[in-house]
Amino acid sequence: GAVVSQHPSWVICKSGTSVKIECRSLDFQATTMFWYRQFPKQSLMLMATSNEGSKATYEQGVEKDKFLINHASLTLSTLTVTSAHPEDSSFYICSARDWDRANTGELFFGEGSRLTVL
Amino acid sequence: GENVEQHPSTLSVQEGDSAVIKCTYSDSASNYFPWYKQELGKGPQLIIDIRSNVGEKKDQRIAVTLNKTAKHFSLHITETQPEDSAVYFCATNDYKLSFGAGTTVTVRA
Repeated sequence: GAVVSQHPSWVICKSGTSVKIECRSLDFQATTMFWYRQFPKQSLMLMATSNEGSKATYEQGVEKDKFLINHASLTLSTLTVTSAHPEDSSFYICSARDWDRANTGELFFGEGSRLTVL
Repeated sequence: GENVEQHPSTLSVQEGDSAVIKCTYSDSASNYFPWYKQELGKGPQLIIDIRSNVGEKKDQRIAVTLNKTAKHFSLHITETQPEDSAVYFCATNDYKLSFGAGTTVTVRA
């Protein structure tokens, strides 16, 4: 299957700093990527849809100025958590849709990035 | 968006027994129903999926059934093994995946 890589897998930062998480599709081109947030023992909550070359679409309740998403190429999307606070600590997961299999609806997930804000 | 309900939230089974997880959805236009397995600290992995033009799909010990009329679909794991212990999520695809709340499956040795 297709491979989606996230980096870093875990990060600890101080309150007030910004953190960038990368999501790469390694062996396919992804016109669309999705960013999720997952709190302990909870399901995945969609934060935003990232489309290559255009602005991301944010879900209701997600602050676009706090969670900056950039999808500059067909293989890379980045999520930047700006001015992070302890309540932003979570597991962030990206997924990507394979262009060649777009009609199937199949999504491939990254391994996730654990963010801890002190 | 799509409303997906998943039951049970936790499931404990004896090794070798079967495990069944059920999900219901609200949007009759949904046509893709994947199941994901998530191990601790990792991203979800697709284990099986089914499309609306079939009623059942099987892959070794894992099977999924779909009832479009009733708008529910189920995951069946037979001959469970300790490595099947994980959190399982159902989802439906209305372009953006809508996930169920998850089921924590524990297989007792």
